[in-house]
Amino acid sequence: EPEVTQTPSHQVTQMGQEVILRCVPISNHLYFYWYRQILGQKVEFLVSFYNNEISEKSEIFDDQFSVERPDGSNFTLKIRSTKLEDSAMYFCASRTQSAGVGELFFGEGSRLTVL
Amino acid sequence: SQQGEEDPQALSIQEGENATMNCSYKTSINNLQWYRQNSGRGLVHLILIRSNEREKHSGRLRVTLDTSKKSSSLLITASRAADTASYFCATDGETSGSRLTFGEGTQLTVNP
Repeated sequence: EPEVTQTPSHQVTQMGQEVILRCVPISNHLYFYWYRQILGQKVEFLVSFYNNEISEKSEIFDDQFSVERPDGSNFTLKIRSTKLEDSAMYFCASRTQSAGVGELFFGEGSRLTVL
Repeated sequence: SQQGEEDPQALSIQEGENATMNCSYKTSINNLQWYRQNSGRGLVHLILIRSNEREKHSGRLRVTLDTSKKSSSLLITASRAADTASYFCATDGETSGSRLTFGEGTQLTVNP
C-alpha cells in the first residue's frame, strides 16, 4: 500500500542550526502539507503546497520556515535557524485533489529536538 | 480560524464497552474527519462525514454530525485493547482554504 515516508525519524540539533526535514508523498497525490505536534499537544497546521507553490500557511510558518519540492518526488521543510520552541514532531501529509479537503495521508513523523 | 474541541480529554473503559468521543467546532464546514494516533506515530484517517450527512458507519465506527450544534461524535462499539490511542477530529472549513484544522484530541484507553 502506498505510504508517505519521512526522514529522519529523529534529529537532534543545536539552537541556531539549520534543519531540513524530508518527505516523499504518495506519488499520485497533488496536495502536500506539513503539520507539527509539540509533545502532548494538538496537531498544528504549518503549510500546504500545491502546483509547486504554497497555497496556504499559518502564523507559525514565519520567515524561518520554507518548503520546497525540488525534484517532483521529495517535499522538504527547512528551518533556517532553529529555536528551542521548534522542538516537536513534524508530520508530512499528502492527498489527492478533491472537492474540499479529503483524506490526508500522514507519514510517521520526524521528531526534532533543539538543544 | 475554527478549532475543533474534543471531549472528554481522556476516557478509560473496559474491553467490550462502547466509547463515545465528542467534537465541537466554531465555523461552517465542508466536512469533518476523525483521525487516530497511536503514541509516537502518525495520524491515520478513520472516517469522513460531509456537511450534508448526519450519520456514517464504518465497521465498528459510527460518526454523527449536527451542523446546527456544530458538533460531531465518534462511537467505537465493542472496544478492544488495540483501540487504545488518541482520537482527533479535523475540520475543513468553508473559508479555511486547503487546511484541515485538528482538535485537541481524546486519549482513549481500553483496558483488557
